[in-house]
Amino acid sequence: DSGVTQTPKHLITATGQRVTLRCSPRSGDLSVYWYQQSLDQGLQFLIQYYNGEERAKGNILERFSAQQFPDLHSELNLSSLELGDSALYFCASSVGRASSGANVLTFGAGSRLTVL
Amino acid sequence: DAKTTQPNSMESNEEEPVHLPCNHSTISGTDYIHWYRQLPSQGPEYVIHGLTSNVNNRMASLAIAEDRKSSTLILHRATLRDAAVYYCILRDVGPPAQGLVKAAGNKLTFGGGTRVLVKP
Repeated sequence: DSGVTQTPKHLITATGQRVTLRCSPRSGDLSVYWYQQSLDQGLQFLIQYYNGEERAKGNILERFSAQQFPDLHSELNLSSLELGDSALYFCASSVGRASSGANVLTFGAGSRLTVL
Repeated sequence: DAKTTQPNSMESNEEEPVHLPCNHSTISGTDYIHWYRQLPSQGPEYVIHGLTSNVNNRMASLAIAEDRKSSTLILHRATLRDAAVYYCILRDVGPPAQGLVKAAGNKLTFGGGTRVLVKP
């Protein structure tokens, strides 16, 4: 158990639907990162939050949005789902400043999304 | 982010050392070298990181070339549980915070990694 909790572990839904993935960071960690891993794309960085504020953005689609709440948990919202959104979605957390080359990320076990 | 180059795959025998090379010829002076690994059906896991000097921890050793253009992750005695994809990543220290200007975050950019197969 890494200390980063992601729910749900598995999710099956239909195209056009909307889902919410939830992440609870390790106790004491202020930064949360979201990654998408599909078979043909590898691990793609989506977005980072630090203490409730967005700090870095990657290849996140406009149909996707995220936020970090005052209790530091984060949610990734995926809407108008397409078949290509089927992937593993990982959340990671780190302690310390928003930007530090020495920051070590701790990853959760992931949420597997299947869009039919 | 500066780019890293790793072999696609490597094989090792159980109980033998594994040396995983990583080239990062465009590394800047403020880039940290990080290694993560991803076991099958799991999230990535931190292995080790360093800036200039060689580093050791309970999982592995990191040998950094003097010019920092390459590094090698060393697993001293491979076990079957070490079979995974190993990622070498450069991570910038990021811009300094200035007064009320908030420091931007910095992402960890994963490449293709090296798939390590450990044979019994």
